[in-house]
Amino acid sequence: SQQGEEDPQALSIQEGENATMNCSYKTSINNLQWYRQNSGRGLVHLILIRSNEREKHSGRLRVTLDTSKKSSSLLITASRAADTASYFCATVYTGGFKTIFGAGTRLFVKA
Amino acid sequence: DAGVTQSPTHLIKTRGQQVTLRCSPKSGHDTVSWYQQALGQGPQFIFQYYEEEERQRGNFPDRFSGHQFPNYSSELNVNALLLGDSALYLCASSVDRVKEGYTFGSGTRLTVV
Repeated sequence: SQQGEEDPQALSIQEGENATMNCSYKTSINNLQWYRQNSGRGLVHLILIRSNEREKHSGRLRVTLDTSKKSSSLLITASRAADTASYFCATVYTGGFKTIFGAGTRLFVKA
Repeated sequence: DAGVTQSPTHLIKTRGQQVTLRCSPKSGHDTVSWYQQALGQGPQFIFQYYEEEERQRGNFPDRFSGHQFPNYSSELNVNALLLGDSALYLCASSVDRVKEGYTFGSGTRLTVV
């Protein structure tokens, strides 16, 4: 079973709006990563946040991590049509090596 | 700087056959992980190779096996193919103790008929 669960499963917004996606996980982690995937191709790494970090920024992306709630959120500000993609959170649990992905949030940004 | 290269890009096989997928990691990376992604799902971890050894495995049967070569490239082998093995197979590379995330290849689309 997958550890990460993204919410919502799908999101449709207008260009210029902000998009927020949430991720929950079940066990203690080393780090949490967010990836983007366009049209069933390879995944692109967006951002990695370590378990001792609470917030991280990269361009229009903002990621938060709440280890007490075992949850993370990804905020994309001022969205563009090119942001249309599936977004996945992925966790590496403490003491392990495998990266566990959630089922993803499908984001559609309308121009 | 080449990223992760996977071959072939598409493959059609018949039930019961065997298949080998190949992956060349990004330059400077020494760890290779393989994932299976069914349509509409997130990637499922198959296994990870480091120093030519499988060091962790996901919930996949022994029909799935792999290898890592001294140049860090890797192969994924699947025996006795089932229809349910049809999926996108993704290879990802990183340096050990990943600090900056994985670099993924574009995947191999396997169709079993």
